[in-house]
Amino acid sequence: GENVEQHPSTLSVQEGDSAVIKCTYSDSASNYFPWYKQELGKRPQLIIDIRSNVGEKKDQRIAVTLNKTAKHFSLHITETQPEDSAVYFCAASGSGGGADGLTFGKGTHLIIQP
Amino acid sequence: DTEVTQTPKHLVMGMTNKKSLKCEQHMGHRAMYWYKQKAKKPPELMFVYSYEKLSINESVPSRFSPECPNSSLLNLHLHALQPEDSALYLCASSQGESYEQYFGPGTRLTVT
Repeated sequence: GENVEQHPSTLSVQEGDSAVIKCTYSDSASNYFPWYKQELGKRPQLIIDIRSNVGEKKDQRIAVTLNKTAKHFSLHITETQPEDSAVYFCAASGSGGGADGLTFGKGTHLIIQP
Repeated sequence: DTEVTQTPKHLVMGMTNKKSLKCEQHMGHRAMYWYKQKAKKPPELMFVYSYEKLSINESVPSRFSPECPNSSLLNLHLHALQPEDSALYLCASSQGESYEQYFGPGTRLTVT
């Protein structure tokens, strides 16, 4: 089955600086890579995703890059704000086609220092 | 309606009880999922239903029994649970042919 590794487990950055979270996956057949933000006591919220036919995707301050050859993908948050503080999960799916479940990384606790 | 809803929000049950968790979506999604999330851990996939048929069972113990009565509803029947089954149970849905999964708020389950 799929295995997703995520680093770092904790990331502390100054407000206004950029944050980068990295993930690797093991199954070369995976073709969908979402990122979720989860605040304490709340549901995971999809913030951005990328499919294997695209190398990069951007949505305002958030961007995701995918390197299929190396089997890794990254989340980039620019101009960080206090409300960006949360746990971020990367995930992978699609190796079975159709309605696949997600395999998540272990999460990154992002702390924005004022 | 762009939300996945779950009931109850909280559930406390004894090891001999039988209870059910409910999930509902009205987005026309054809795939629905159950995940289990322990504190400070990522969600772990339990079951996938695609077009109302069970398509993935991630070797979940039989004390968890899923049911999909129709394309909008997903239940998880619980029986003879163990204290280590205490967790947040998340339901999600997606369109069958794209992959965005949207999560419900979860049911916080405590087994005593």
